[in-house]
Amino acid sequence: ETGVTQTPRHLVMGMTNKKSLKCEQHLGHNAMYWYKQSAKKPLELMFVYSLEERVENNSVPSRFSPECPNSSHLFLHLHTLQPEDSALYLCASSQDWPNTGELFFGEGSRLTVL
Amino acid sequence: GESVGLHLPTLSVQEGDNSIINCAYSNSASDYFIWYKQESGKGPQFIIDIRSNMDKRQGQRVTVLLNKTVKHLSLQIAATQPGDSAVYFCALQDSWGKLQFGAGTQVVVTP
Repeated sequence: ETGVTQTPRHLVMGMTNKKSLKCEQHLGHNAMYWYKQSAKKPLELMFVYSLEERVENNSVPSRFSPECPNSSHLFLHLHTLQPEDSALYLCASSQDWPNTGELFFGEGSRLTVL
Repeated sequence: GESVGLHLPTLSVQEGDNSIINCAYSNSASDYFIWYKQESGKGPQFIIDIRSNMDKRQGQRVTVLLNKTVKHLSLQIAATQPGDSAVYFCALQDSWGKLQFGAGTQVVVTP
């Protein structure tokens, strides 16, 4: 069983759809993250949750809405997205926040917005 | 502000040769550095890390070198294999304890 599991792995949605990405970590970590990865660009940090509280929101548009119901689960709710939001969305976890040390990543959810 | 850069977007290496991937950073207060490997269709995976009180650290076929004077980090892969084909990211922990990532270098291993 991998440490960080993301579902779905692939998602195609129209601009008016509502969908959610799910992440689960089995490592007992206290912090969870959402990153956006676009081609030939550095990883973009979107949100950070530490002990289920949002501690970082990097000017992400409101059409992305995170939810952290407990320290093991993280969701990213998607609504009225734009084609430029097509990217790989990576979930990660770390033992602590800040002074994160190593981040453990999931395999990502490949999102295509039509 | 922070910047983490890699010198080459693509590195082509012949199988069996050594690979060297470079990374420059600007924040002299950075105290922790990581190299990640990301294979096609997968998430980034930890390769090796190094703290600022060290200049060199070795793993299995990989060596990380840290030159704090010129703010330069490198990853050396010995006897590169086809399975080493991937994108390699450097990351550093900034003065607020957050990881900053570089854009990545695509390593292509040729037979």
